[in-house]
Amino acid sequence: DIQMTQSPSSLSASVGDRVTITCRASQGIRNYLAWFQQKPGKAPKSLIYAASTLQGGVPSKFSGSGSGTDFTLNISSLQPEDFATYYCQQYNSYPITFGQGTRLEIK
Amino acid sequence: QVQLVQSGVEVKKPGASVKVSCKASGYIFTNYHMHWVRQAPGQGLEWVGIINPSGGSTTYAQKFQGRVTMTRDTSTSTVYMELSSLESDDTAVYYCAREHGGWWNWGQGTLVTVSS
Repeated sequence: DIQMTQSPSSLSASVGDRVTITCRASQGIRNYLAWFQQKPGKAPKSLIYAASTLQGGVPSKFSGSGSGTDFTLNISSLQPEDFATYYCQQYNSYPITFGQGTRLEIK
Repeated sequence: QVQLVQSGVEVKKPGASVKVSCKASGYIFTNYHMHWVRQAPGQGLEWVGIINPSGGSTTYAQKFQGRVTMTRDTSTSTVYMELSSLESDDTAVYYCAREHGGWWNWGQGTLVTVSS
């Protein structure tokens, strides 16, 4: 199975900050990497797929990059609604696997 | 718009089985694969498996092989996930999610509690 490792596991930031979350795959996954946002008590929400593609409706403050084994999610100009848990996911091969999550908290 | 509506809360005893449904609307049901993912309380996301609603083919995570069965009913655009031999560790919210080339639309989740 491909292991996905996110860092950091938790992150404190202020409104208006820019943050970066990284995700590393235990083997190459090309660009088959997605990012999800989850708020407490809610289903996850897709943000990015194919490592860097935003679906319509996702604000451009979110951006993703990377290929192979190393990926990043950047969130600029943090707003209160951005404080949530973020997960990366590889879908290069089965079983699909997720990172352990990064909890983004308000400082 | 794409909508996935899941069945309600389930409470089961250890050793029992549970069957969760996910009714799809707003798109052509047989054109997109459906995943099941679970999340134990306070924990991360765990992939359970996938079903192709067109032919009914499935792929399961090895951890659940022999205990999980995914099926679909094309007449009602509904997919089902049945998990047997339940243990307390199976207590979780179970989500269905439609995949479109890496983009997922999620159901609202179904809480399954396993307790004696």
